[in-house]
Amino acid sequence: GENVEQHPSTLSVQEGDSAVIKCTYSDSASNYFPWYKQELGKRPQLIIDIRSNVGEKKDQRIAVTLNKTAKHFSLHITETQPEDSAVYFCASNTGKLIFGQGTTLQVKP
Amino acid sequence: NAGVMQNPRHLVRRRGQEARLRCSPMKGHSHVYWYRQLPEEGLKFMVYLQKENIIDESGMPKERFSAEFPKEGPSILRIQQVVRGDSAAYFCASSPRGFSTSSYEQYFGPGTRLTVT
Repeated sequence: GENVEQHPSTLSVQEGDSAVIKCTYSDSASNYFPWYKQELGKRPQLIIDIRSNVGEKKDQRIAVTLNKTAKHFSLHITETQPEDSAVYFCASNTGKLIFGQGTTLQVKP
Repeated sequence: NAGVMQNPRHLVRRRGQEARLRCSPMKGHSHVYWYRQLPEEGLKFMVYLQKENIIDESGMPKERFSAEFPKEGPSILRIQQVVRGDSAAYFCASSPRGFSTSSYEQYFGPGTRLTVT
């Protein structure tokens, strides 16, 4: 079945630095790749997504890139702020969302 | 437009009891998904439903778990004879469209945290 690998599992950066989280997927039929942010005890919140006909998408400080040939997609957060600290999940869609294992991002002030 | 609603938010059951978790999708959404999140782990797909139909239950344990999404009312995830290993956060998500159409977004409810004692 579909598998999504996410790295790193933890990431610590200084405020203002950039953070990059990478995912790979296995099912070439996947056509939609969302990213969710989950704060402790709260629901996953959709922060950005990308579809298979697009290579890159940007929304203010966050951007996502997709390489369909290599089956890689990445989340980039620039100018990180302490409120960006959370667990981030990537996912791929094959009729249901298959999630990566999550990355705990800590932004140090 | 109210978001995805789930209740109860917290549920405590003793081993062997039944747990019923409810999910009301966002207005205009007819696709519902249930996911389970074990402590400090990722989200695992359980089941995908449309009104009166189970589309994909490949992530649902074969025994004790069932789900429905009736014509009227919320979607229900039912766990019979709960065991300690069922303790987890159960999230539902809804979307306006399914996989067979253009790509879609899933929006999550606040979750039900089930504790089995």
